[in-house]
Order: sequence, then structure tokens, then C-alpha cells
Amino acid sequence: RKEVEQDPGPFNVPEGATVAFNCTYSNSASQSFFWYRQDCRKEPKLLMSVYSSGNEDGRFTAQLNRASQYISLLIRDSKLSDSATYLCVVPRPHNNNDMRFGAGTRLTVKP
Amino acid sequence: DVKVTQSSRYLVKRTGEKVFLECVQDMDHENMFWYRQDPGLGLRLIYFSYDVKMKEKGDIPEGYSVSREKKERFSLILESASTNQTSMYLCASSLGHAETQYFGPGTRLLVL
Repeated sequence: RKEVEQDPGPFNVPEGATVAFNCTYSNSASQSFFWYRQDCRKEPKLLMSVYSSGNEDGRFTAQLNRASQYISLLIRDSKLSDSATYLCVVPRPHNNNDMRFGAGTRLTVKP
Repeated sequence: DVKVTQSSRYLVKRTGEKVFLECVQDMDHENMFWYRQDPGLGLRLIYFSYDVKMKEKGDIPEGYSVSREKKERFSLILESASTNQTSMYLCASSLGHAETQYFGPGTRLLVL
């Protein structure tokens, strides 16, 4: 099993739709988690941190399910500008400088 | 605003050449990282450094070396470039453990 696994997509949704992605991780000792956003041919940028059960920031909600070892990202009222690849990131428990990146889930929001 | 810069956006080199990729951050961050990103594989850690002159291997250090002589600068060296090192190289920095990583714009390296 990969340390961090994501559905690559692509997810193609209309504007205004709600869309959710999951990310599974293999190490049950992982404590903190991150979602990064990467636009086409650009560098990744932090979208949200997830430290406990979840986090909400406007239209974006991240949730953590420790029992099943997955985190999810929910985007409500999708905008065209949400089109990007979303990367799930999990620090290794015994070396928090070593971040494990998922391969990313690609989202396209269409008019 | 954190700024991470990389010396080149695009680079074309020949097999066997020595290649230097430089990264500079302006926020006095302790940690710096080098990744490569390939389609379907995501970001893979090559090396990271948590202090000047300190370095640790990541998942794929073979064929690479690094140098951190000053806190703000972290260099990635391909001792003898090979075609399988054609990739996007991303540098990042962070303030501390499990902190947000800030990325540079990346260097697309093509090895012919």
C-alpha cells in the first residue's frame, strides 16, 4: 500500500457543484495533514491544514477520519478558478520534515 | 510574503553533464527541500536540509548531491546527468517541523 494514495481523477464538475476528494494514508501514527493546490505548470501552494477532526475555510472543508485513515476535501459551490490539482500531504510521524505527497487529484470546473 | 526562487525555469543539458540547480529563500527558514515531480508519481523527496551544512537523504537520492553552505541557499547537483533525470525539480522551505512548505516556481530539466 502506498503511504499516501489519491484518486487521480479527473473530476469534471459544473460550476456551483459540490465535489469531494478522498486521500488515504498508511501510517496510523500520522498526526497532521495538509491539502495543497497546484495549478497547471505552477508550484504547489498550501490550501488547508488538518490537525484534529477537521477544518473549514469558506467553501472548503477538510475532514479527518483516523479510524479509517483517510482525509477528505469538500469544495462547495465550485468556481471555475477551483480548477487545479489537489495534493494530499502527510508528514512522516518520526520525521516531520519528511512530507509524503500524494500524486494529486485533478479537478476541472466547467461553465 | 515568503519568497523561494530557483535559478532557472527551464534547462536543457546533455547526458553526462554536471548540472547545478540553485534555490534561495528569503524568510530565514531552517528547512529546505528538493523534490522532483513526474506525472502519476507526485512529488518525491530527493534531499532535505534542516540546518547549514546538514543534509538528509530522501526517497530518491541516487545520482544527486546537495550543498547548503548558507542558510538561505540550497543547491541540488546532478553529478552526471542522465535521461531519466528529465523532470520538474521543485525546491521548498519551511520554518520548522511539519510546518507549511513554500515552493519555488520549479525548474523543468530536459536531459538529452
